[in-house]
Formats: sequence, structure tokens, C-alpha cells
Amino acid sequence: EAQVTQNPRYLITVTGKKLTVTCSQNMNHEYMSWYRQDPGLGLRQIYYSMNVEVTDKGDVPEGYKVSRKEKRNFPLILESPSPNQTSLYFCASSLWGGQPQHFGDGTRLSIL
Amino acid sequence: GDSVTQMEGPVTLSEEAFLTINCTYTATGYPSLFWYVQYPGEGLQLLLKATKADDKGSNKGFEATYRKETTSFHLEKGSVQVSDSAVYFCALIKYNQGGKLIFGQGTELSVKP
Repeated sequence: EAQVTQNPRYLITVTGKKLTVTCSQNMNHEYMSWYRQDPGLGLRQIYYSMNVEVTDKGDVPEGYKVSRKEKRNFPLILESPSPNQTSLYFCASSLWGGQPQHFGDGTRLSIL
Repeated sequence: GDSVTQMEGPVTLSEEAFLTINCTYTATGYPSLFWYVQYPGEGLQLLLKATKADDKGSNKGFEATYRKETTSFHLEKGSVQVSDSAVYFCALIKYNQGGKLIFGQGTELSVKP
């Protein structure tokens, strides 16, 4: 089954404790992206990757890191999480940058 | 900058009612337009799309027409069901910014039996 898989689905943690949210897709897609969803703001792009080893900032990259060492994986790293990063996060992928994106089921992060 | 504006929710309708969710956009160039749907506890699913002016996207009884003259992409359905209860997002894609999706704020639809 074609899918984008995120882990964990839920996480409660404390300020400053490094965390990684994993994202994996099995569709051989070139393009991957991370979004955060906040009430009243819709989804905003954090980072994206056009293909392996190529990443670029989206609209709200501050406080986040990503890497794209292999095509299928695109982890999101919060080196020193803060409460303002409490949000619902989605990973997405598409065949290339201009195609409709497939979304994972989301990761709800709570930073205390 | 480019943006998408949707009508505010929540929208509450009775089963079999007619649905319209308004969406307007501001963009340079000729973006493709999308409607995504998010069911509770799930990720976003592509509902329909339109890639050029006057295109009509349709799926599962939902329709939307790309109107360049009014910069609109309103979502419609003739007869909603309880199972249509979800949050609906209008979005455009920026080809010259790495394929970034720009979303509206989402409109929550609740359909009562």
C-alpha cells in the first residue's frame, strides 16, 4: 500500500530535549516536505527536499533541521524544542515538486 | 505574497443539504489549485484539483471550478452526507518555489443526520 509513515504519532516532552520525528514513504517519490498545522493558520511549510541531499527552507524553518540522506526518509529534528513548537506536524511526498502531495497521518507534539 | 482565503467555519448542515465552501486566492502566474480533506485523526487527502483556468475538478460528488477572472475555486456538493464531516483545505501550488503548497486556514464541516 502506498503510504507516508510518520513516527511517533503523539509525543509529550519537555523544553530543550532533542527529538526526531521520522518520515518514510514507499512510493519512490523525489519530493518530500514537512508542514505544521496550527488552529486558524492552516498548514505552513517548514522544510522541503526536491531530491536526495537537496533540502531548502519553507516558510517557518526556525528551530528545525532536516536531512535527506536517502530517497525514502526525511526526518524532522528539533534540537532544542520550545513550547511554541507545540503543534500538529505532517510529512508529505510527491513524485516531483509540482505534483499533488500525499500526506502522513500526522504527529502531535506537545512541548512543556 | 501568494495566499489562499477560505470562508470561516464551522459550517453546520443537515444531511442532503447543498454545500458551498468559498475559496479565493492571490497568486502570481498560473498556479494549480487543490482541495484537500482531513477526516478526524487523519492526514490530508487530495479531494480534487484543477490545473488551469476553467478546469473543473470533481471527486466523490464534490466539484470546484478554477475561475481566473474572480480568482476563486469554490467547493460545492449537491447533497452532503454525515460521512462528509471533516475539515476542508483549499490550496495552491507554487511551481517556482519548489512545489510548495500554500493552504487556506481550513473550513470545518459538520453534517447532522
